[in-house]
Amino acid sequence: GQQLNQSPQSMFIQEGEDVSMNCTSSSIFNTWLWYKQDPGEGPVLLIALYKAGELTSNGRLTAQFGITRKDSFLNISASIPSDVGIYFCAGLSTGGGNKLTFGTGTQLKVEL
Amino acid sequence: DAMVIQNPRYQVTQFGKPVTLSCSQTLNHNVMYWYQQKSSQAPKLLFHYYDKDFNNEADTPDNFQSRRPNTSFCFLDIRSPGLGDAAMYLCATSRAPGDTQYFGPGTRLTVL
Repeated sequence: GQQLNQSPQSMFIQEGEDVSMNCTSSSIFNTWLWYKQDPGEGPVLLIALYKAGELTSNGRLTAQFGITRKDSFLNISASIPSDVGIYFCAGLSTGGGNKLTFGTGTQLKVEL
Repeated sequence: DAMVIQNPRYQVTQFGKPVTLSCSQTLNHNVMYWYQQKSSQAPKLLFHYYDKDFNNEADTPDNFQSRRPNTSFCFLDIRSPGLGDAAMYLCATSRAPGDTQYFGPGTRLTVL
């Protein structure tokens, strides 16, 4: 099935650094979602974006819904060890049968 | 807290021996989904129920079946598990098709 282009594929950063990852698509989405998945657990919703241009924060996390509706980014400020995990973007569109289209994931590793 | 619950968290079965995974939700959502996830890949949708209406993905093997006896519960039945069916199985819910999806913690299936 279709997947979103998510980058970077992996990141290895120092504690305290800011992190940025993004997703791009050739298709338009009505909703962008960002999930974090820890090993052996299910994805946990971090941020949901419902409107083109929307910028939303959740603690140290900030995400934006691209104005073209074909992209989104997630920023994490002042990373801490518990930020380690895999981050997935996901898009929803009526054209996609109301199904989630996932990004390929960004593996984040934090060095103390 | 309203949530999505999956039992068991870990399931071991033998090659060819039927197995059932269960999911329950206290969110009172109308849609329940089953995903299969293999290591470090994005979740792959198997099927979903919108109320009592079952929607199978075209590429979901016949070996996989599902039941939704009521709003709160949904089951994934694997009739004859093969080694290739070893994976994390994720249940998710949404209020309506196309709405934000919330995932359970997953069941890790091992096939011996």
